[in-house]
Amino acid sequence: NAGVTQTPKFQVLKTGQSMTLQCAQDMNHEYMSWYRQDPGMGLRLIHYSVGAGITDQGEVPNGYNVSRSTTEDFPLRLLSAAPSQTSVYFCASSLWTSRDTQYFGPGTRLTVL
Amino acid sequence: GQQVMQIPQYQHVQEGEDFTTYCNSSTTLSNIQWYKQRPGGHPVFLIQLVKSGEVKKQKRLTFQFGEAKKNSSLHITATQTTDVGTYFCGAGGTSYGKLTFGQGTILTVHP
Repeated sequence: NAGVTQTPKFQVLKTGQSMTLQCAQDMNHEYMSWYRQDPGMGLRLIHYSVGAGITDQGEVPNGYNVSRSTTEDFPLRLLSAAPSQTSVYFCASSLWTSRDTQYFGPGTRLTVL
Repeated sequence: GQQVMQIPQYQHVQEGEDFTTYCNSSTTLSNIQWYKQRPGGHPVFLIQLVKSGEVKKQKRLTFQFGEAKKNSSLHITATQTTDVGTYFCGAGGTSYGKLTFGQGTILTVHP
């Protein structure tokens, strides 16, 4: 099992550009989520999904879109990148819900100029 | 929304000293999870607490869940350089969808 994989590992964008951060898991987990990590702010939930076709907003959803067409994949889309979105992004998955052990991917470090 | 405060934000210790980080919520929690993130790495699950007053141990690590299920602590006895990293608590509220993390405590261990 590869676990949770994320691509790319690093990305630099210009303000206004759009891009998709990829996240995939091969553990047949129903629950997937996206967090951003900023210094002193901990991990903040952006969006989450409890199964294919079901998504919901977390604490900081503005500027981000998600979809869940398959159990395995949960991409995060930045519609029009802003410098405030410079951060490290982690995808996580768990068997059923947020109350199960979360398995985190290696992260994507995004810089928006 | 649910807020979880974690203190301290930073802790510097000499190797061999003890370390404790605290996680506090204003609302009753359904469960609390603890994660460790090594520098440059990703969070890795350590343990989950569910019951009021629960205490669990993993070698030198002791985890406690408060009687009112509003706070938790992680205590490391006799720290080692391998303990370096950021420790996060993740709190579950009434929803099964959201896990709210504290700000994390960055632990530095001086040899």
